[in-house]
Formats: sequence, C-alpha cells, structure tokens
Amino acid sequence: GAGVSQSPSNKVTEKGKDVELRCDPISGHTALYWYRQSLGQGLEFLIYFQGNSAPDKSGLPSDRFSAERTGGSVSTLTIQRTQQEDSAVYLCASSLVRRVAAYNEQFFGPGTRLTVL
Amino acid sequence: DAKTTQPPSMDCAEGRAANLPCNHSTISGNEYVYWYRQIHSQGPQYIIHGLKNNETNEMASLIITEDRKSSTLILPHATLRDTAVYYCIVRAYTGNQFYFGTGTSLTVIP
Repeated sequence: GAGVSQSPSNKVTEKGKDVELRCDPISGHTALYWYRQSLGQGLEFLIYFQGNSAPDKSGLPSDRFSAERTGGSVSTLTIQRTQQEDSAVYLCASSLVRRVAAYNEQFFGPGTRLTVL
Repeated sequence: DAKTTQPPSMDCAEGRAANLPCNHSTISGNEYVYWYRQIHSQGPQYIIHGLKNNETNEMASLIITEDRKSSTLILPHATLRDTAVYYCIVRAYTGNQFYFGTGTSLTVIP
C-alpha cells in the first residue's frame, strides 16, 4: 500500500519568506510526527499529533514554526520568516496507535529538503 | 527518556556479522529499546525493538544485557545495502517522541 508521502521533495526559499510543507500519512494512522534533520545530525523531534488530542508541540524551536492536521489526516508544517538555520530535511512519520501493544512503529516519509538562501 | 550512547562509526566486511553496540545505563523499567536505520537520503526505517528478552526478526537480532544497561544489534550477514546510520533509542511505550541521537554510521565493505 501507499506509504507516507511528503511534498515538495525540495524547497528553496529566500530568507524571510514563509514556507509550507505537506505530509500525507498512511491511511488509518492516527499518530503523526514531524522531525527535522540538519546536515550530519540526528533527528530532532518537532511536533506530534494523536487523534483529536491536543498536539505535543514541545519540540518546536520557535514561534515561527507551527503545524496543523486537518481532518485527522494531512498535516502542514509552516515556517514563517524563514532563517538560514532552518535549512534542513523535514521528515514526517505516522503510526497506528495500538492500545494493547507496547509499541507503535513509525513509518517515515522521504522528507522535504528545505534550503533557505 | 533515557539517553543512549553509540559509537559514531563502524566498518564491517560484507557477509560477516555486524554487531552494533548501544549503552543506555539510565534506562528505566518501562522503557523499551528500539533500533531504526536510515539509509542515505531516505527516512528512517524500523528494525527491531525489545524490553528485556532477546529478539529476532527477519532483519536482525537484538541482544539486551540482563541489567538492561546496554544492547547489541546484530545483522547476521551484512550486505552492501546495510550501509546506513543505525539509531538506538529507548522510550517508554507510552511516550510520544523518539529521540534519535546521532547514531552509528555503519559501512559495509566489499
């Protein structure tokens, strides 16, 4: 079946502009995550959505970053007034939250490579 | 979530077993050990997870020490396609986040 998809795959923008990154999770997955990966670094958690619960925004680096998830499916990560340090690969993951299992595997999309000039 | 420590890089000869260590000395009783890997330019991929018993699946084996303070991921017959960054993560099963760290960059050599 279809995996997690993200668009665009690459985005080049000028400093100060706003960008929107899109994530389409696997159908039926109730949990959705956004991560950021700077060059040569590990993944940095940004935000987590689970069903209708309030999102966990604890990883967002500044108030220029926001995300929403409409209808429990597609999610958009918005970065306002982009800065050069925002340049990174932004990864989205989704998982099927099982109540009894101890584990919910995350399936990752291919990422969006953002370059801020 | 407990922090993990992994060597930054390792080499392994093709066809041999790759043994990737991970230290998680502050792991607590409700935290699981997970392994993911990230092949260049792709998103991370789940490999295996465990709590205290050794686990095996079609991809790898996970050996967890009795005190649970360390673990080893074993790729029994490494291939060139196993070249990737391997992340060891510990997380409570109720947790929302995975803290990936910087992982171990494994290079499989022909």
